[in-house]
Amino acid sequence: GNSVTQMEGPVTLSEEAFLTINCTYTATGYPSLFWYVQYPGEGLQLLLKATKADDKGSNKGFEATYRKETTSFHLEKGSVQVSDSAVYFCALRRASSNTGKLIFGQGTTLQVKP
Amino acid sequence: DTAVSQTPKYLVTQMGNDKSIKCEQNLGHDTMYWYKQDSKKFLKIMFSYNNKELIINETVPNRFSPKSPDKAHLNLHINSLELGDSAVYFCASSPRTGPYNEQFFGPGTRLTVL
Repeated sequence: GNSVTQMEGPVTLSEEAFLTINCTYTATGYPSLFWYVQYPGEGLQLLLKATKADDKGSNKGFEATYRKETTSFHLEKGSVQVSDSAVYFCALRRASSNTGKLIFGQGTTLQVKP
Repeated sequence: DTAVSQTPKYLVTQMGNDKSIKCEQNLGHDTMYWYKQDSKKFLKIMFSYNNKELIINETVPNRFSPKSPDKAHLNLHINSLELGDSAVYFCASSPRTGPYNEQFFGPGTRLTVL
């Protein structure tokens, strides 16, 4: 079946450190891939997305590249800030989906210390 | 202006009670969703409606019943609440079904069953 696996957290970094959160997926065909962010006490917000192989999604200094050969969509940021502390979710939607259903990874908590 | 709103934000109740959570979106979207987030932050879809028609109904106990009076509203009624129902419930909406459309999430309703 379709699934998403993220690296376990929490990830604790100092401000201005480089961030990588790994995400791999299992799906047939070419799913759309997403990163959502959940700040404390809030709902999820779309951070970035990619809809086909080799696409790079980017937003607010975060980037992720859709790698079909490794079935991965790792999230990166060159220099994190305290305000980036949140839970990050990788998700996929099947290309053939007619319902819009998202399948989420388990979430990775990021803590950035000053 | 709030895009996707949920009421109440917090709900504390006793086992065996019946409760409802309401969701409204003012984005003009056709599709709405209910998700459940457990204590480990794992997020799973429960239901989805497209133009008041049920299109996703995951393996959810019959005690949970969604109702969509119009396409801007999707309510969740829960009968005979159990301890395991304690979670954060998120409502979301998207313009239409399909693999590329962004879902917009509400702020969540934290349900605690005592």
